[in-house]
Amino acid sequence: AQSVTQPDIHITVSEGASLELRCNYSYGATPYLFWYVQSPGQGLQLLLKYFSGDTLVQGIKGFEAEFKRSQSSFNLRKPSVHWSDAAEYFCAVGPNQAGTALIFGKGTTLSVSS
Amino acid sequence: DAGVIQSPRHEVTEMGQEVTLRCKPISGHNSLFWYRQTMMRGLELLIYFNNNVPIDDSGMPEDRFSAKMPNASFSTLKIQPSEPRDSAVYFCASSLSTSRTDTQYFGPGTRLTVL
Repeated sequence: AQSVTQPDIHITVSEGASLELRCNYSYGATPYLFWYVQSPGQGLQLLLKYFSGDTLVQGIKGFEAEFKRSQSSFNLRKPSVHWSDAAEYFCAVGPNQAGTALIFGKGTTLSVSS
Repeated sequence: DAGVIQSPRHEVTEMGQEVTLRCKPISGHNSLFWYRQTMMRGLELLIYFNNNVPIDDSGMPEDRFSAKMPNASFSTLKIQPSEPRDSAVYFCASSLSTSRTDTQYFGPGTRLTVL
């Protein structure tokens, strides 16, 4: 069965420091992978997605993620964190066939310290 | 585009009462999804529609939950009777289709509290 694991429940990073949020997936075929961000009181916004091709994916707000099949990982990175990046981040794996829905990880809460 | 619209944003009700959550998907989107978010279980898919037809409702917790999509621009999620364990944030999302590559766009959610 498909599953997504985000090992870190909560991470605190200093403003200006680099960030890496971990995501591991379990999937039998080539996965479709997504990162969403949820700001307090808001819905989820797509940061980036990976379907195929270049394993380094660029997203909005300066985020990028790298797909590593050998490690079953899709970690999210940002070189310099801003205070406005404080939010909850969700990794998701897409359906194994058309007509089904995303499976989300439990999320990682990012706090940014000044 | 206004994005996915959900109402109400907050709902507080007493156990046993009927609760109706509403969703207006993005115009032109043919697929609509209802998710529930709790601390314990995270984000879970409840049901989704394609072209107004329910495709998979296996995530609906029990018969107290029902969802309808009478037309392409409106969907409801109803809980009757409500219970305290139904307290959660309910999200509606829409996408162009159910293609694996289509992005799901989420609404702001409805925070439901059942006392």
